[in-house]
Amino acid sequence: AQSVTQPDIHITVSEGASLELRCNYSYGATPYLFWYVQSPGQGLQLLLKYFSGDTLVQGIKGFEAEFKRSQSSFNLRKPSVHWSDAAEYFCAVGGVQGAQKLVFGQGTRLTINP
Amino acid sequence: GAGVSQTPSNKVTEKGKYVELRCDPISGHTALYWYRQSLGQGPEFLIYFQGTGAADDSGLPNDRFFAVRPEGSVSTLKIQRTERGDSAVYLCASSLAGTGTDTQYFGPGTRLTVL
Repeated sequence: AQSVTQPDIHITVSEGASLELRCNYSYGATPYLFWYVQSPGQGLQLLLKYFSGDTLVQGIKGFEAEFKRSQSSFNLRKPSVHWSDAAEYFCAVGGVQGAQKLVFGQGTRLTINP
Repeated sequence: GAGVSQTPSNKVTEKGKYVELRCDPISGHTALYWYRQSLGQGPEFLIYFQGTGAADDSGLPNDRFFAVRPEGSVSTLKIQRTERGDSAVYLCASSLAGTGTDTQYFGPGTRLTVL
């Protein structure tokens, strides 16, 4: 069965520092890949998605992600974080074997130090 | 425009009771999804509707869980004989056409607590 692994449960970075959140998936073919953010009391919001083509994907709020087939990874990056980026981040895969459902990772909680 | 809405935002019930959770998708979206998010976990898929029919219900944990979408818009997730383990945030999402590349737009969720 397909699975998504986010190795870091909790990450703390200083405001203005760079950020990389890791995501690995387990599936033979290239699935559709997504990053969502969940702020307290808010619904999940899509940051970016990858289906094919250019492996570096730009998203909202200054985020980007890079698909690396050889590593089965889809890591999320931001060059300079802001205090408002503190939230829970979820990587997800979809479209596996034609299914429409999303399979989510466990999530990474991001804390920003002032 | 309006996003996905879910009611109630919070529901507290006693073990063994019946509950209904409602989801109003974005207008015009044909696909609707239910997920369940336990504390400290990512959302887990429950069921997917394309129009009025359940196209994939492989995530429903047992026959106490049932969902309907009779007119292809609003959906209701029904849980019979609730158990303490059912406590979680129930998320609803909708997408325009239900293809794998569609963006799923999520509602704020219903927090269900079973005492």
